[in-house]
Amino acid sequence: QVHLVQSGAELREPGASVKVSCKTSGYRFTDNYIHWVRQAPGQGLEWMGWISPKSGVPNYAQKSQGRVTMTLDTSISTAYMEVSRLTYDDTAVYYCARDGGFTKAEDGSFLRNGMDVWGQGTTVSVSS
Amino acid sequence: DIQMTQSPSSLSASVGDRVTITCRASQSISNYVNWYQQKPGKVPKLLMYAASTLQSGVPSRFSGSGSGTDFTLTISSLQPEDFATYYCQQSYSSPPYSFGQGTKLEI
Repeated sequence: QVHLVQSGAELREPGASVKVSCKTSGYRFTDNYIHWVRQAPGQGLEWMGWISPKSGVPNYAQKSQGRVTMTLDTSISTAYMEVSRLTYDDTAVYYCARDGGFTKAEDGSFLRNGMDVWGQGTTVSVSS
Repeated sequence: DIQMTQSPSSLSASVGDRVTITCRASQSISNYVNWYQQKPGKVPKLLMYAASTLQSGVPSRFSGSGSGTDFTLTISSLQPEDFATYYCQQSYSSPPYSFGQGTKLEI
């Protein structure tokens, strides 16, 4: 069974950095991209970026550029996301999620899957 | 970047009702739309991918349709456990893979 287990809640002051981990199990780590999504209190889901476990190359949302770094440790099937220069607006629940890749349909075509397995979320609070 | 606009933002309904949520993309995205359900304090759950394919384990009262720019998620007969917030998300071509703003389904 596929699991994504994230690190625990974090409290940081403005200007600090935070690094969240996402340990995967139950599938071959290099087969599926990992997304990072965040949700501020009472708000919707915000896609932050994803990373290829095969190449290690990330792709960030424009809003994440410059402050967010996504990395991997393939030896332990774990993805990381670090956010630097934190502000109060970074207070949110941060999720990692596995990209489901492509599924073969009955007619032989390939269907683009969604984020099929999610971590439990990591609450990051920014407060002075 | 592709923008996803959901409507309505909130919806009141009763058990047994048929409800439809719509999502419009700012450009044509073929069938590259996914739908997620999120209950308060819980992790989002994938309901539907490729616009109309039900994720394994999701009840058949959920259905999806659409292609191009306009998409719908329909719940044929609302159950008490369906009251939640629903999000569409596009996964067309290259990132960013944006979400809609969500539709809160309330009693």
